[in-house]
Amino acid sequence: DAEITQSPRHKITETGRQVTLACHQTWNHNNMFWYRQDLGHGLRLIHYSYGVHDTNKGEVSDGYSVSRSNTEDLPLTLESAASSQTSVYFCASSEYTGGKNIQYFGAGTRLSVL
Amino acid sequence: GESVGLHLPTLSVQEGDNSIINCAYSNSASDYFIWYKQESGKGPQFIIDIRSNMDKRQGQRVTVLLNKTVKHLSLQIAATQPGDSAVYFCAENLGGTSYGKLTFGQGTILTVHP
Repeated sequence: DAEITQSPRHKITETGRQVTLACHQTWNHNNMFWYRQDLGHGLRLIHYSYGVHDTNKGEVSDGYSVSRSNTEDLPLTLESAASSQTSVYFCASSEYTGGKNIQYFGAGTRLSVL
Repeated sequence: GESVGLHLPTLSVQEGDNSIINCAYSNSASDYFIWYKQESGKGPQFIIDIRSNMDKRQGQRVTVLLNKTVKHLSLQIAATQPGDSAVYFCAENLGGTSYGKLTFGQGTILTVHP
């Protein structure tokens, strides 16, 4: 069955370190998204991509970057981790067809920046 | 000083009751809506969707109602079960140049008591 997987599931890092969170989907979807989820803020969009070599900033993109070199993967990089980036991160993918746009989510990565 | 947390709306029901979860969306131009269920420690899971040219859609034990006049969406769960306990999010798709992107509500915590 097609799926979307995130790794690692849990990560502890130190302030100032570079961190990369992986997202891999086997749906063959063109659209991929990264969100962070914090209590009181719901899901907020960090970056998204509509296809290979396409990347776009979301509402909370500062301090994060993504690259899309193939259809399956959209890694999220924290250039210099800050305590404010402690959060749960979700990756999603979708294909916009027939007026429908269902995003399918991974299980999440819980990141702690100490 | 005292810190104030942001609290999600909560709904507590008895097993077997019907549940109604409400959502006010923000943009009258939104053309597609989705309800997601998120269990503790997991990613959001698709429940049901509805396009803006409809006012009602039914699935298995779930019904979504859309009132575009007042920008209101509701999710009805029939014969609620303990396994329905989760956080429920509505999401809207703005369409147009924002195609593929979803804006999520804050969520409602549903607790089902046996």
